[in-house]
Amino acid sequence: AQSVTQLDSQVPVFEEAPVELRCNYSSSVSVYLFWYVQYPNQGLQLLLKYLSGSTLVESINGFEAEFNKSQTSFHLRKPSVHISDTAEYFCAAVFSGGYNKLIFGAGTRLAVHP
Amino acid sequence: GAGVSQTPSNKVTEKGKYVELRCDPISGHTALYWYRQSLGQGPEFLIYFQGTGAADDSGLPNDRFFAVRPEGSVSTLKIQRTERGDSAVYLCASSSSALAGNTGELFFGEGSRLTVL
Repeated sequence: AQSVTQLDSQVPVFEEAPVELRCNYSSSVSVYLFWYVQYPNQGLQLLLKYLSGSTLVESINGFEAEFNKSQTSFHLRKPSVHISDTAEYFCAAVFSGGYNKLIFGAGTRLAVHP
Repeated sequence: GAGVSQTPSNKVTEKGKYVELRCDPISGHTALYWYRQSLGQGPEFLIYFQGTGAADDSGLPNDRFFAVRPEGSVSTLKIQRTERGDSAVYLCASSSSALAGNTGELFFGEGSRLTVL
């Protein structure tokens, strides 16, 4: 079955430290990959996405993710986090044959401490 | 409105009762989605509308769940004979087109939290 796995349910980190949130997906001929973020008391928001082309994609607030086909991964990274990055992060995918059907991982709660 | 609006934000009901959850998408958005998020899990796809019709309802768990979008705007998710296992946050999202939705450009509401006692 097509699936998305986020191995870390919680990631605590100190402010200004680097962070990596891991995401793996089940192998597929074609896949679109996404990271969504949910800040407290807000709806899910698209953070960044990979559709095709360059395997490294970036968000406007300093996050980046790299599509790695051989490892079926799409890890999210930021070199220096801020308190305001505290949120829940969801990795998601649209697999070939699943038009308009996002498959989400279980989420990773990023807690940035001063 | 400015964003996707969902009502009620919280609903507590008793096992066996009927529940309706409403979603008001962003004006002009043709695609609408329902997801369900159980505690500790990511959102799980339920149904996708393009206009008035359900283009994909493969995620509805059983025939107690039904959703409509009669005028291609507001949608209602209906749950009959609720069970305790239906307790979850029900998320609605909309996108400007099917293509936009397929490439992740979804705008989510804050969800309706359903608790079945």
